[in-house]
Parts: sequence; C-alpha cells; structure tokens
Amino acid sequence: QKEVEQNSGPLSVPEGAIASLNCTYSDRGSQSFFWYRQYSGKSPELIMSIYSNGDKEDGRFTAQLNKASQYVSLLIRDSQPSDSATYLCAVGRNQAGTALIFGKGTTLSVSS
Amino acid sequence: GAGVSQSPRYKVAKRGQDVALRCDPISGHVSPFWYQQALGQGPEFLTYFQNEAQLDKSGLPSDRFFAERPEGSVSTLKIQRTQQEDSAVYLCASRKPGQGFTTDTQYFGPGTRLTVL
Repeated sequence: QKEVEQNSGPLSVPEGAIASLNCTYSDRGSQSFFWYRQYSGKSPELIMSIYSNGDKEDGRFTAQLNKASQYVSLLIRDSQPSDSATYLCAVGRNQAGTALIFGKGTTLSVSS
Repeated sequence: GAGVSQSPRYKVAKRGQDVALRCDPISGHVSPFWYQQALGQGPEFLTYFQNEAQLDKSGLPSDRFFAERPEGSVSTLKIQRTQQEDSAVYLCASRKPGQGFTTDTQYFGPGTRLTVL
C-alpha cells in the first residue's frame, strides 16, 4: 500500500464550479499536510498547509483534514482555467523536519 | 537569493557518464532536500541535509547516487555511471529553520531535467 494515495484523474470541472481533490495517507503519526500545485514542466508550488483537524481557508482554496479517517482534501471554489494543473498531496513524516511523502497527483482540467 | 536555485536546468548525458547537479537553497534555510520525480509521478525523497550533516539518505536508489554539502550552503547531487532509468527531474527543496511540524513546509527549486541516452 502506497503511503499517500490520490486519484490520478483527470478531474474535469466547468469554469466557476467547485473542484474537490482527495488524498488518504497510511501513517497515523503524520502531523503535517500540504497541497502543492504543479503546472506541466514546472516545479511544485505550495498552495496550502494544514496541521489540525477541520477546515483551513485561503482565498478560493479550502483544505480539510480528518486525522481519524486519515484523509485530507482540497476544495477549489470558482474554478478557473488557470487552475488546470496537477495537484500533489504531501504528508510529513511523524518526525518534524524530515522528508515529505507525496502522492502521484491528481490532474485537474477546468474548461471555459 | 529569493528562492531555491538549481543548475543546470537541463542535462543530457550519455549512459555511463557521471553528472553533478547543484542546489542553492533559500538564504537562511538549513535543510536542502533532494527529490526525484519521474514522469507522471509525485516527487520521491532521496536525501537531505541539516547544515553540513546528511541526516537521511534512505531514498538514494543505489550506491551510484551520493550527495554533498561541504560548506553548509550549496548542495550537490552526483550520479555516477548514469543509466537510462536515472532520467527524471531532480528537485531540490529547502525549509525554514526551527522546531515543530509547522517548519515542515518545503519550497522547491525549478529542478534539473536529466535525460540519459
């Protein structure tokens, strides 16, 4: 079982809709969770970090964390064509300051 | 500099050639991390440093891979006797110094795309 699982997609949504991206992880001791956006041919860019159960909002983005279910999600409201990219879920190991474990990424396509 | 810098951005090597990839982390950051990203996959951890110390090299795929950070700033990932399966993007990331999980956030450089022919 891979440590961080994401549906590879593609996830297709129309412009203005809500895009919902999901991620599960296997290590119950994980304490830090991240969403990165990666455009084709570019490096990952941090969108959100979350450390506590519940929701965290930043502009059009909301990250949701449920440690009991080992589940983290990213909602993108009012999706724009410029949001079309691969979204990588990353989980910190249970020791601070060490490597991040990434999922394979979900490809999002927003059509205008 | 403002962000993590890496060089070269692109490298084409003949099979069997040695290559060296350079990472200059964000000023003030203590921990350059190296990841390998194959096409269609997420980044996979290779190794990282804290200051000059290489604290974890468990992700290095073979003894052909090794990393250095001799002067505590620039880090170099070296691949000896390159093979076609080494073709990937090599990403360097750095994080802020400090304690606790809130410093787990890593910022990535532009990467080096290595193609082994």
